[in-house]
Amino acid sequence: EPEVTQTPSHQVTQMGQEVILRCVPISNHLYFYWYRQILGQKVEFLVSFYNNEISEKSEIFDDQFSVERPDGSNFTLKIRSTKLEDSAMYFCASSVVSGGATGELFFGEGSRLTVL
Amino acid sequence: SQQGEEDPQALSIQEGENATMNCSYKTSINNLQWYRQNSGRGLVHLILIRSNEREKHSGRLRVTLDTSKKSSSLLITASRAADTASYFCAPYTSGSRLTFGEGTQLTVNP
Repeated sequence: EPEVTQTPSHQVTQMGQEVILRCVPISNHLYFYWYRQILGQKVEFLVSFYNNEISEKSEIFDDQFSVERPDGSNFTLKIRSTKLEDSAMYFCASSVVSGGATGELFFGEGSRLTVL
Repeated sequence: SQQGEEDPQALSIQEGENATMNCSYKTSINNLQWYRQNSGRGLVHLILIRSNEREKHSGRLRVTLDTSKKSSSLLITASRAADTASYFCAPYTSGSRLTFGEGTQLTVNP
C-alpha cells in the first residue's frame, strides 16, 4: 500500500542551526502539507502546498520556515534558525485533491525534532 | 477553518465493549472525517462522512452525522486493546485547511 515516508525519524540539533525535514508523498498525490505536534498538544497545521507554491499557511509558519519540492518526489520543510520551541513532531501529509474536499489526508510517521 | 471538539477527553473501557466518541462543530461543513493516532505515530484516516449522509459503516466503525445539531459520533464495536489511541474528528469546509482538536484518548483494557 502506498505510504508517505519521512526522514529523519529523529533529529537532534543545537539552537540556531538549520534543519531540513524530508518527505516523499504518495506518488499520484497533488497536495502536500506539513503539520506539527508539540509533545502533549494537538496536531497543528503549518502549511499546504500545491502546484509548486504555498496555497495556505498558518500563523506558526513564519519567515523561519520554508517549504520546497526540489524534484518530482521530495517535499521538504526547512527551519532556518531553530529555537527551543521548535521541538516537536513534524508530520508530512499528502492528498489527491485538496485536503478534505472529497478524500482524506495520508500522513507520514513523523520526524521528531529536538532542539537543545 | 474550524476544528471539532471531541467528547469525552478520555475514555477507558474493557476489551469487547463498545466505545462511543462525540464531536461537535460550529459552522456548516462539506464533510467530516475521523482520524486515529497511536502514541507517537502519524494520524491515520478512518472514515469520511459527507454532509448529505447520516450514517456510514466501515468494519467495526459506525459514524453518524447530524448537521442540524452540528455533531457527529464515532462508535467502535467490540473494541480491542489495539484500538487504544487518540481519535480526532476533522470537520471540513470547502477551501479551508483541515484542522484537529484535542481528541478523545481511548484506552481499551485487556
